[in-house]
Amino acid sequence: GNSVTQMEGPVTLSEEAFLTINCTYTATGYPSLFWYVQYPGEGLQLLLKATKADDKGSNKGFEATYRKETTSFHLEKGSVQVSDSAVYFCALTVYSGGGADGLTFGKGTHLIIQP
Amino acid sequence: DADVTQTPRNRITKTGKRIMLECSQTKGHDRMYWYRQDPGLGLRLIYYSFDVKDINKGEISDGYSVSRQAQAKFSLSLESAIPNQTALYFCATSDYRVQETQYFGPGTRLLVL
Repeated sequence: GNSVTQMEGPVTLSEEAFLTINCTYTATGYPSLFWYVQYPGEGLQLLLKATKADDKGSNKGFEATYRKETTSFHLEKGSVQVSDSAVYFCALTVYSGGGADGLTFGKGTHLIIQP
Repeated sequence: DADVTQTPRNRITKTGKRIMLECSQTKGHDRMYWYRQDPGLGLRLIYYSFDVKDINKGEISDGYSVSRQAQAKFSLSLESAIPNQTALYFCATSDYRVQETQYFGPGTRLLVL
């Protein structure tokens, strides 16, 4: 089956620090990979995605590279801000005969940025 | 206006009651999904639908049923609610042309006493 493992939180950093949130996966077939972000009291928003090996997704200063050889999709940002405080979910989906199935999520990493 | 709406936003019910959570979307997407979120467990897929005539079970469908009344509406029912169904429920949609990307509603917080 499909599964996603991401680092446990909470992760607490100071503003302008470098961020890495690790994500590894197992999947049948060739998955598409995602990072979603959930701000307090809100639903999930797509942060970035990559659909094939070696693709790099990027958005709002965040980046993640689809590494097939290590089955990883680590999220990075060079300089975090207080406004980046949220819960981050790594996720994947794999196409079946009828189309893309639902997303398989990791458990989420709570990121706290202190001023 | 929000593209994906869920009603109600909060609900308290008692064990054994039947309840329905509703999801509507104005994005024109054909695919719709229901997830539940539990602390420390992430989101897990309950049911999904590729079009009005297509319903598929997800990872945790036991105790739930769904109805796709129209392309824009996808409801989730708990036939006889139990306390371990207390969770945050999310509806999501996707477009068959960019079907990897899902768009989420704001969630329904359900408490079963």
